[in-house]
Amino acid sequence: DQQVKQNSPSLSVQEGRISILNCDYTNSMFDYFLWYKKYPAEGPTFLISISSIKDKNEDGRFTVFLNKSAKHLSLHIVPSQPGDSAVYFCAARDAGNMLTFGGGTRLMVKP
Amino acid sequence: KAGVTQTPRYLIKTRGQQVTLSCSPISGHRSVSWYQQTPGQGLQFLFEYFSETQRNKGNFPGRFSGRQFSNSRSEMNVSTLELGDSALYLCASSLVAGSGNTQYFGPGTRLTVL
Repeated sequence: DQQVKQNSPSLSVQEGRISILNCDYTNSMFDYFLWYKKYPAEGPTFLISISSIKDKNEDGRFTVFLNKSAKHLSLHIVPSQPGDSAVYFCAARDAGNMLTFGGGTRLMVKP
Repeated sequence: KAGVTQTPRYLIKTRGQQVTLSCSPISGHRSVSWYQQTPGQGLQFLFEYFSETQRNKGNFPGRFSGRQFSNSRSEMNVSTLELGDSALYLCASSLVAGSGNTQYFGPGTRLTVL
């Protein structure tokens, strides 16, 4: 049973608009959440993270929101740029300091 | 500082064979984690090594094994390959134990099993 789910395998957005990527989790013991970005033929790179004691973290065009009661987090990219086209993975950390990843969402930003 | 390197980058094997993949972490990093990436399944954790000891293991059959050397380089071995083992295998290194800390990923090894 997947503890971290990204229900949208793909998302297409126009350049300049907002991209919203969603992630749901089931384990209430997760205490830290991360987003990774992956380009083809490269390994994932860390993008942004949020602690479970916060509900929002912002870094430039990227903002992550956490709704603990709904066990839901989202990544907002504003404005979206063609270079943001990649696969985005959300990940959650447990008490053993291990990460569980979601299945990924492929974002396509059209010029 | 050199990043995480993985060799080989691409590999084609047939069912029943075995394969060994190699990962060299960032200099000074002592933790190496391995992941399997398949379409729709995301990154599934295989195992983590820290200071030559397996610290954690994911839910994979015993055909998947690994080890870490004193220089922190790690190898992963898959025996009796099956078609379903075709995937991108990623390794990631970090300074301290526990993949929850900032990890740096290598480019991966693309394994195709025919």
